[in-house]
Amino acid sequence: GQNIDQPTEMTATEGAIVQINCTYQTSGFNGLFWYQQHAGEAPTFLSYNVLDGLEEKGRFSSFLSRSKGYSYLLLKELQMKDSASYLCAVDGGATNKLIFGTGTLLAVQP
Amino acid sequence: DTEVTQTPKHLVMGMTNKKSLKCEQHMGHRAMYWYKQKAKKPPELMFVYSYEKLSINESVPSRFSPECPNSSLLNLHLHALQPEDSALYLCASSLGLAGGGNEQFFGPGTRLTVL
Repeated sequence: GQNIDQPTEMTATEGAIVQINCTYQTSGFNGLFWYQQHAGEAPTFLSYNVLDGLEEKGRFSSFLSRSKGYSYLLLKELQMKDSASYLCAVDGGATNKLIFGTGTLLAVQP
Repeated sequence: DTEVTQTPKHLVMGMTNKKSLKCEQHMGHRAMYWYKQKAKKPPELMFVYSYEKLSINESVPSRFSPECPNSSLLNLHLHALQPEDSALYLCASSLGLAGGGNEQFFGPGTRLTVL
C-alpha cells in the first residue's frame, strides 16, 4: 500500500526555526517533493530530494533518508507569509504518480 | 511562459448542467494532470495524460470526462455532478511523467460548487 504521514498542524513563532517531518511507505520511490500551498491557491514547488542528505535553498532546506523512509522540511527565520500547508509528495516511480501526504498546516504567530 | 492557467476561477452549477473546465500550458510539457482537492486535504489524482493520450484514470466516475485536444490544452467535461463533487479542481503539467523526478507545475485551480 501507499502511506505518507505528516503532522496535521504545527504552530511556530516569527523568526524561529520549524521542522516538518514526513514518513513514507510506498511501493515505488523515485524521489520526494515538498510543495507549499497557501489557502485557496495552487501548490508551489519547494524542493526535490532523490539522494540521501540535506538540500539547502535559502531559508528552506529538505532532508531525505531513503533507508528510513523519512524526510523533513526545515524552515528558518520564519515569516508570517510562511503560514501555509506544506505537502510532502513521493514520486512513485513506475506508477507514474505523485503520491501526496496528508499535508501539514503551519501557523506562524507574531 | 512558466505558468499553467485555468478557467474559470469559480464555477457554480446545478446537478443537471453540463460545463467544462479548461487548462493551458505553453512550457512544452508532455504530461498533464487533473486533481481534485477538498478543503484541508491533499490533492487527489484523477487523470493523467501523456503525449495527449490518457495514461491513468483513477477510477473516476464517468460524470467527469477528460479531453486533451492538443499538447497545450486539457479539458475536464462535467455532467450530472453531485453536491459532493464540490471542490477545488487543479490542473498540473510536467515535462515528463512522474517516475523521472519531473516537477509538476500547478494551475491556480477552479473552485467548483455543485448545487
